[in-house]
Amino acid sequence: AQSVAQPEDQVNVAEGNPLTVKCTYSVSGNPYLFWYVQYPNRGLQFLLKYITGDNLVKGSYGFEAEFNKSQTSFHLKKPSALVSDSALYFCAVRESMYSSASKIIFGSGTRLSIRP
Amino acid sequence: NAGVTQTPKFQVLKTGQSMTLQCAQDMNHEYMSWYRQDPGMGLRLIHYSVGAGITDQGEVPNGYNVSRSTTEDFPLRLLSAAPSQTSVYFCASSYSVQVPQETQYFGPGTRLLVL
Repeated sequence: AQSVAQPEDQVNVAEGNPLTVKCTYSVSGNPYLFWYVQYPNRGLQFLLKYITGDNLVKGSYGFEAEFNKSQTSFHLKKPSALVSDSALYFCAVRESMYSSASKIIFGSGTRLSIRP
Repeated sequence: NAGVTQTPKFQVLKTGQSMTLQCAQDMNHEYMSWYRQDPGMGLRLIHYSVGAGITDQGEVPNGYNVSRSTTEDFPLRLLSAAPSQTSVYFCASSYSVQVPQETQYFGPGTRLLVL
């Protein structure tokens, strides 16, 4: 069965410092991996995704994520954090093979707090 | 396009009452799904649909029913509300289940309180 783990409930970073939000996954086939962001009282917004190819994926708002197949990880990164990056971040995985059981599974979320 | 819309935005129910959460999308998306979001538990999949007339269960389907009579609409029914169903409910859609790399579009959510 598919699963996603976000081991950190909260990540605290000073503005201007690099940030990393961790995600590991488990699927039986090849994964499609996603990062979404949620601002207070809003729905989730897409940030970036890994499908195939280059292991470093660039997305919205200066975020990027690195796919590591051997470690089954897809960590979200940003070289220089902004206070406006403070939000709840979700990692999600979906198996690449089409089937009616090909559900999208989300992690438990990581709250990112950027202090000025 | 309006995208994914959900109604109501907020609802209070008494234990045992039933209600339907509405979800609609105007993007001709095949795949639609319902999630509930609870503190510390992230998003959990309730039910999903890969097209009109086809639905399937997610991680936490008990106490909920769905149907998909049209491509646009995917209502979620609570048969007999319980306090454990107090949560924020999100509907989401994506273009095609045959293209699993498609991103999902989320509605603004329905906040449900069951007393």
